[in-house]
Amino acid sequence: SAVISQKPSRDICQRGTSLTIQCQVDSQVTMMFWYRQQPGQSLTLIATANQGSEATYESGFVIDKFPISRPNLTFSTLTVSNMSPEDSSIYLCSVFGLAGVYGEQFFGPGTRLTVL
Amino acid sequence: RKEVEQDPGPFNVPEGATVAFNCTYSNSASQSFFWYRQDCRKEPKLLMSVYSSGNEDGRFTAQLNRASQYISLLIRDSKLSDSATYLCVVEGDSGYALNFGKGTSLLVTP
Repeated sequence: SAVISQKPSRDICQRGTSLTIQCQVDSQVTMMFWYRQQPGQSLTLIATANQGSEATYESGFVIDKFPISRPNLTFSTLTVSNMSPEDSSIYLCSVFGLAGVYGEQFFGPGTRLTVL
Repeated sequence: RKEVEQDPGPFNVPEGATVAFNCTYSNSASQSFFWYRQDCRKEPKLLMSVYSSGNEDGRFTAQLNRASQYISLLIRDSKLSDSATYLCVVEGDSGYALNFGKGTSLLVTP
């Protein structure tokens, strides 16, 4: 399996500010994704982080609100911009395509964000 | 209509019981199906993939009915450690990205 770390693990932010979440994997992976899990809800895909190019966003999510970077095969960032209380959620990165592992996605531990 | 729908639960069962979870999905073109387990305040982890022929892993049996777009998970001889939320997951349109159901909460009691 992969070792995936996310920073920060949690944060409390003021509305109108932005937060950048980092996701680091201990080995190269083909694909990285960002999900959101709102309180009492399941996971919703925000976007696929593409290495060296713009992320692919799902319906309802836009680059201006959730800019994503993926400079290499082991690292990605998600920024939550101009935050409002509705952005309070757990944000998780996941990876797919770990060498020697077929068909399984692994998730990071999540970043718990509270916006006041 | 949500892409993946599950029994909301919660399911409270005694140790040793057999419990079944059901799930339906809307995208008939979906090719890959999974059950993930999520413990409280933890990330989801793959429990098992679901194959057309049905598959078993110890006390866990998963089945897929493509015609009905229906997936099930059966847990036999429930253990206290089985208490968790079980997420029905279907591969989405965006390559390997996943569509998650809301999850079914299971509590196994002594």
